[in-house]
Amino acid sequence: DTEVTQTPKHLVMGMTNKKSLKCEQHMGHRAMYWYKQKAKKPPELMFVYSYEKLSINESVPSRFSPECPNSSLLNLHLHALQPEDSALYLCASSQDPLQAHRINTGELFFGEGSRLTVL
Amino acid sequence: AQSVAQPEDQVNVAEGNPLTVKCTYSVSGNPYLFWYVQYPNRGLQFLLKYITGDNLVKGSYGFEAEFNKSQTSFHLKKPSALVSDSALYFCAVRTDGNNRLAFGKGNQVVVIP
Repeated sequence: DTEVTQTPKHLVMGMTNKKSLKCEQHMGHRAMYWYKQKAKKPPELMFVYSYEKLSINESVPSRFSPECPNSSLLNLHLHALQPEDSALYLCASSQDPLQAHRINTGELFFGEGSRLTVL
Repeated sequence: AQSVAQPEDQVNVAEGNPLTVKCTYSVSGNPYLFWYVQYPNRGLQFLLKYITGDNLVKGSYGFEAEFNKSQTSFHLKKPSALVSDSALYFCAVRTDGNNRLAFGKGNQVVVIP
């Protein structure tokens, strides 16, 4: 069982809708990530929050808006999406990424994902 | 820059036979290497990692991997494959102070009963 919880598991939305994906972790991790994954492809990094501050935005279109209300929660707000945005959206967390050399740090823990379909 | 190559698209193996999934990497600095497995319609599950120390790393579900610095490789192995090992496997690398994880393209493993 994953310790990173994502809701909803499935989401169908029209191109004019506004919806949000939610992610929660209780492992005390200080870095949280959003990835987008197309079928049979590797995950593509979208955003990284480190200590609740946005540290990486991989030139993601503004129709995707991340939010990190506290160290345990990560949201992804969706507005005016396109059909090509349909994908599996994965949330992940890790311990302090700036100390990846430590034995007990480094790996990402992923949630089960939110399957998004844009009509 | 950091990158990972997984040269094969699909690995077919008979149940009970040894399973090997290949991975080579390219980084500036010391590599931190990871293997993840993904079952259909699921998230990625962490299998094992190499950070430092012993080059042979043991992980979940009987998997192991060997770090080879001279060949810049980190191949995943399992002595005896199970049908339930059929899944998509990703190798990934990052370096110290870098929270970008570079994934390989993935390998579909098919274990034939």
